[in-house]
Amino acid sequence: QVHLVQSGADVKKPGASVKISCKTSGYSFSSHYIHWVRQAPGHGLEWMGIINPSSGITSYAQKFQGRLRVTRDTSTTTVYMDLSSLRSDDTAVYYCARVGTPYTFFSGYWVTSADLEDWGQGSLVTVSS
Amino acid sequence: DIQMTQSPSSLSASAGDRVTINCRASQSISHYLNWYQQKPGRAPKLLIVSASELQAEVPSRFSGSGSGTSFTLTITSPQAEDVATYYCQQTYSAPTTFGGGTKVELK
Repeated sequence: QVHLVQSGADVKKPGASVKISCKTSGYSFSSHYIHWVRQAPGHGLEWMGIINPSSGITSYAQKFQGRLRVTRDTSTTTVYMDLSSLRSDDTAVYYCARVGTPYTFFSGYWVTSADLEDWGQGSLVTVSS
Repeated sequence: DIQMTQSPSSLSASAGDRVTINCRASQSISHYLNWYQQKPGRAPKLLIVSASELQAEVPSRFSGSGSGTSFTLTITSPQAEDVATYYCQQTYSAPTTFGGGTKVELK
């Protein structure tokens, strides 16, 4: 059974950084892309970025370029999301999500492989002075 | 980026009604459209991919249709457990983008 378990809630001051972990299990870690999506309180879903766990190659939404970093540790099958220069409008629940289809079966532009079948439980990050 | 617009933003339905949620893309996205269900305090759940393909274990009262720029999620005879917010998502071009959501309540 696929599981994505995220780290807990965090409170940060403006200007600080936050690092969220997403521990995966129950499937071949290197075969499925992982995305990060966030949701501000009372708002919709916003795509942040994607990582190929096999190669470590990433792609980020333009608005997060320069302050978002997604990495992975293949030995622990964990993906990390690091967001820096936090602002109050970064207050949100952050989700990791797994693409259900192994990427070897995807023929299009890899960043658009985004059928998000399995999700972490979410990690609330509150940015407040 | 492709803009996804959902309507209505909220609706209230009675058991036995037919619920229709609309999603419009700012440009043609062929059939690259997914639907998610999100219950309060929970992560989204993938319901439908490629505009009309139900995920395993999704009840058959859910259906999706459409192509190009106009798509519809239909719930026939909604149940109490269908109270949730529903989001569409395009996977035609990067970055993937989501609609603003439609909140479904039961009377």
